[in-house]
Amino acid sequence: DSGVTQTPKHLITATGQRVTLRCSPRSGDLSVYWYQQSLDQGLQFLIHYYNGEERAKGNILERFSAQQFPDLHSELNLSSLELGDSALYFCASSVAGVPGETLHFGNGTRLTVT
Amino acid sequence: GENVEQHPSTLSVQEGDSAVIKCTYSDSASNYFPWYKQELGKRPQLIIDIRSNVGEKKDQRIAVTLNKTAKHFSLHITETQPEDSAVYFCATLDSGYALNFGKGTSLLVTP
Repeated sequence: DSGVTQTPKHLITATGQRVTLRCSPRSGDLSVYWYQQSLDQGLQFLIHYYNGEERAKGNILERFSAQQFPDLHSELNLSSLELGDSALYFCASSVAGVPGETLHFGNGTRLTVT
Repeated sequence: GENVEQHPSTLSVQEGDSAVIKCTYSDSASNYFPWYKQELGKRPQLIIDIRSNVGEKKDQRIAVTLNKTAKHFSLHITETQPEDSAVYFCATLDSGYALNFGKGTSLLVTP
């Protein structure tokens, strides 16, 4: 067990809908990363938060947004969902978000858009 | 972001043989190169990493080599076992401190 908790484990929704994925980092970790894993694209970096502030953005669509709350949990909001958004969404955390730190991944949320 | 190419995409070896997976990257400023293993239906986990001031690092049956001049690094698994079967991802750090992953190599070790 990595200590990173992601909920829900599975999510099935329809096109056009909005969903929220939740992540609780390991105790003591200040940094949270979101990744999208689809079959043909591997692990794609979406966004990185450190202690409540956005630190870096990757290939995140404008329809997606995220935030990290004062208790350090993070939420990824996906709106106007399309079939192509179906994927496994991973959250990872690290202590301070500095280069070379080990990322500890949660078990992921599998999103299916029908 | 950093472009990381990983080869091969699939690899099948007999138990006991060695497996080698190679990644190339484009950003010469990259200085941290981890490898993650993802078993079927599970989360990625770090198995070994190397920093740019080192050319090789070993941990039991696993080793990583780095050639900064040629901008490539490789994962070597010796004496493979069926439990080594998984998808392996290489990664590099981009300027924003996030990991950029290769597309993965599906390794199958047959008894």
